[in-house]
Amino acid sequence: DAKTTQPNSMESNEEEPVHLPCNHSTISGTDYIHWYRQLPSQGPEYVIHGLTSNVNNRMASLAIAEDRKSSTLILHRATLRDAAVYYCILKGSNYKLTFGKGTLLTVNP
Amino acid sequence: DSGVTQTPKHLITATGQRVTLRCSPRSGDLSVYWYQQSLDQGLQFLIQYYNGEERAKGNILERFSAQQFPDLHSELNLSSLELGDSALYFCASTPFLEGWGYGYTFGSGTRLTVV
Repeated sequence: DAKTTQPNSMESNEEEPVHLPCNHSTISGTDYIHWYRQLPSQGPEYVIHGLTSNVNNRMASLAIAEDRKSSTLILHRATLRDAAVYYCILKGSNYKLTFGKGTLLTVNP
Repeated sequence: DSGVTQTPKHLITATGQRVTLRCSPRSGDLSVYWYQQSLDQGLQFLIQYYNGEERAKGNILERFSAQQFPDLHSELNLSSLELGDSALYFCASTPFLEGWGYGYTFGSGTRLTVV
């Protein structure tokens, strides 16, 4: 699986937007970009995924660079419930998701 | 409720014992994945089943085995347990064999403590 690089931690204030970056310079043409988050003591939760175009859903937006070597997960208004570890994962043709260490997001009230 | 059900939620057992963890996938999902999460190793993929057949193996120890039954629920069997097997075990499901275009749905996990 191609590797991703994320900052170990980020901080945000409540009700402000959060931009979580992910670098994936070795991405292949068929790799999807998946984002998951894990709240304390819970299972990972699917957030969003995309291939080439920017994607929006009720939870977040995913902005994908034109060369696909990086992407950004955007939480439009952070809440305390968004405090979690966020994982950026490249999903290719094999069957599994490979999790890295992710970014620990802290949301300050 | 994600739709993936894992039981039991907590399990405490002694070294050398054997336990079985159970997972019911989301309705309609045919693929089941097992993951182990320990403090020092993060989330590690163990094994995948699709419609009753093993399809992919990860870092699964020989003491561990799994199966998927005709009703699509899956069981992860852990034997000769060691202290280092203490971890959270998660199950996830997807509709199809190759899930790259779909989000994975995870259960809330089973916390195993080996004493």
